[in-house]
Amino acid sequence: GAGVSQSPSNKVTEKGKDVELRCDPISGHTALYWYRQSLGQGLEFLIYFQGNSAPDKSGLPSDRFSAERTGGSVSTLTIQRTQQEDSAVYLCASSPQGPRETQYFGPGTRLLVL
Amino acid sequence: GNSVTQMEGPVTLSEEAFLTINCTYTATGYPSLFWYVQYPGEGLQLLLKATKADDKGSNKGFEATYRKETTSFHLEKGSVQVSDSAVYFCALLNQAGTALIFGKGTTLSVSS
Repeated sequence: GAGVSQSPSNKVTEKGKDVELRCDPISGHTALYWYRQSLGQGLEFLIYFQGNSAPDKSGLPSDRFSAERTGGSVSTLTIQRTQQEDSAVYLCASSPQGPRETQYFGPGTRLLVL
Repeated sequence: GNSVTQMEGPVTLSEEAFLTINCTYTATGYPSLFWYVQYPGEGLQLLLKATKADDKGSNKGFEATYRKETTSFHLEKGSVQVSDSAVYFCALLNQAGTALIFGKGTTLSVSS
């Protein structure tokens, strides 16, 4: 079946602009995760959604970062007033029913902030 | 807090050589442990996992054993192939089960 998909695959933006990154989880998966992969910091957890529960936002690095998940499926990660240090690959993952289950990763969105 | 430390790369081996990539962790309790692999141009894939002490995860000839005494989860393969060239990440699941905590990754390059 179809895996996790993300769009766009690449995004170049200017410092100070807002960007939106999209994630489509595997159909039927109720848990969704965002991670960031950067040269300096490695792979970092950003946010976790599970059904209608309040998300775990503990990994978001600043209030410029936010995410939502509409209808329990598609998720959008928004970065406001982008900075050069936001340049990274943003990865989305989903799992069938939530915590402690295998996470399946998408191909990522490569963000470059000029 | 939770953390994962894995050996720095790159690791360069000849085909059919024995592979070990060391991984140690710091965590509260006994978290589930994972190895993920990222092949060139591809996304992260789960390679193997272990959910409790003394469990051995295995897949594609790779193995790792959950050692609580040494808080380690070293990845091994008896005979590597060129197709194993990739970046390998060790990870643990946080106590809430909501986030994977990753090591920095180890790049493996296998030549024929």
